[in-house]
Amino acid sequence: AQTVTQSQPEMSVQEAETVTLSCTYDTSESDYYLFWYKQPPSRQMILVIRQEAYKQQNATENRFSVNFQKAAKSFSLKISDSQLGDAAMYFCAYRSGSNTGKLIFGQGTTLQVKP
Amino acid sequence: EAEVAQSPRYKITEKSQAVAFWCDPISGHATLYWYRQILGQGPELLVQFQDESVVDDSQLPKDRFSAERLKGVDSTLKIQPAELGDSAMYLCASSLRVRHVQETQYFGPGTRLLVL
Repeated sequence: AQTVTQSQPEMSVQEAETVTLSCTYDTSESDYYLFWYKQPPSRQMILVIRQEAYKQQNATENRFSVNFQKAAKSFSLKISDSQLGDAAMYFCAYRSGSNTGKLIFGQGTTLQVKP
Repeated sequence: EAEVAQSPRYKITEKSQAVAFWCDPISGHATLYWYRQILGQGPELLVQFQDESVVDDSQLPKDRFSAERLKGVDSTLKIQPAELGDSAMYLCASSLRVRHVQETQYFGPGTRLLVL
């Protein structure tokens, strides 16, 4: 069975600084997808960034980028130029490439942004 | 921008009562998911529908939980009887399926259930 682990329950960053959230996963599959979702307080979960396992190039979305290390089964999220609106719970998630659609989530990391 | 709708947003009930949650996915999304998120944890899949058919309900406690999507559009998740341990956020998500590939899941705002 696949598992996703986020070892940082809480992180904080100064506004305009850079922060990295860690995620490791375990799978025996070669075809899969990895995601970072953001869940602001009392608001719905939204997709931040997505990475296909077959792609060697790390995904980027504006201030958000990932460091995907397939051999190490590591998938970290880097947030550059942090903004107050980035404060939220961040979840790392895994999806099998077998098209089941099911997302397997980590425990989440609460990010605090200090002004 | 199209969104996944859920109601109610909050529900307080007493133990042993019945509760029901409703979800309306983004128009055209054939795949619908119900997740349960216990406070401080990541969501866990309860049930997945492809159109009106259940494709995964392996984590659904079938003795008390039921889910349906009769016309392949909106969906209802029911708990009867509710137990204290059912207190959680219930999230609905939907996605397109393009050439047998599930696309990105979009989540609704969730229903927060408190069982007293």
